[in-house]
Amino acid sequence: KAGVTQTPRYLIKTRGQQVTLSCSPISGHRSVSWYQQTPGQGLQFLFEYFSETQRNKGNFPGRFSGRQFSNSRSEMNVSTLELGDSALYLCASSFGDRRVGELFFGEGSRLTVL
Amino acid sequence: QQQVKQSPQSLIVQKGGISIINCAYENTAFDYFPWYQQFPGKGPALLIAIRPDVSEKKEGRFTISFNKSAKQFSLHIMDSQPGDSATYFCAALARIQGAQKLVFGQGTRLTINP
Repeated sequence: KAGVTQTPRYLIKTRGQQVTLSCSPISGHRSVSWYQQTPGQGLQFLFEYFSETQRNKGNFPGRFSGRQFSNSRSEMNVSTLELGDSALYLCASSFGDRRVGELFFGEGSRLTVL
Repeated sequence: QQQVKQSPQSLIVQKGGISIINCAYENTAFDYFPWYQQFPGKGPALLIAIRPDVSEKKEGRFTISFNKSAKQFSLHIMDSQPGDSATYFCAALARIQGAQKLVFGQGTRLTINP
């Protein structure tokens, strides 16, 4: 069974640009969550999508957005990039409506903002 | 109330020893407590988890001890091996009207000396 796939794995952007990250969940999983990981703040929740609907959102500015498609694949977008957005962005998939809490993470997309 | 406090930040254990990592929480609404293991360059991997209706769960060399009244839980790694060297995160699941969000501790960098 394939795991969670995130693309791209690495990317470098400059301040003011925007970026789109992609996540393909485990087959059969309908929930996709996004987390930001930094050395200073640790793992912080961004948002969760279930069946194409955002169910929950963390305390991040509106520059961070996401969406989920009918095949459960998800994208997150960060607009007007700032230096502080440099981080590892992790996607996690789960069933969402059973075996609640069992989240499986991808390897992440490492974003560097210059 | 949404915090999970993890200690120690770093831990060095001799091969064959017992590694113990502790976490504490405030929010009594948390109802699922997983531990994740993360190797450099990889995403967090679900290691073991416990629900608050049990006080202990064991899987191989890994054991979670859970103290509901003290709002604390801990991970014990028996017979620690160099391959266990990684960063470990405790987490707690918050659920709001079906949505799920993991609140993570700050992580413990574990080093097992051969």
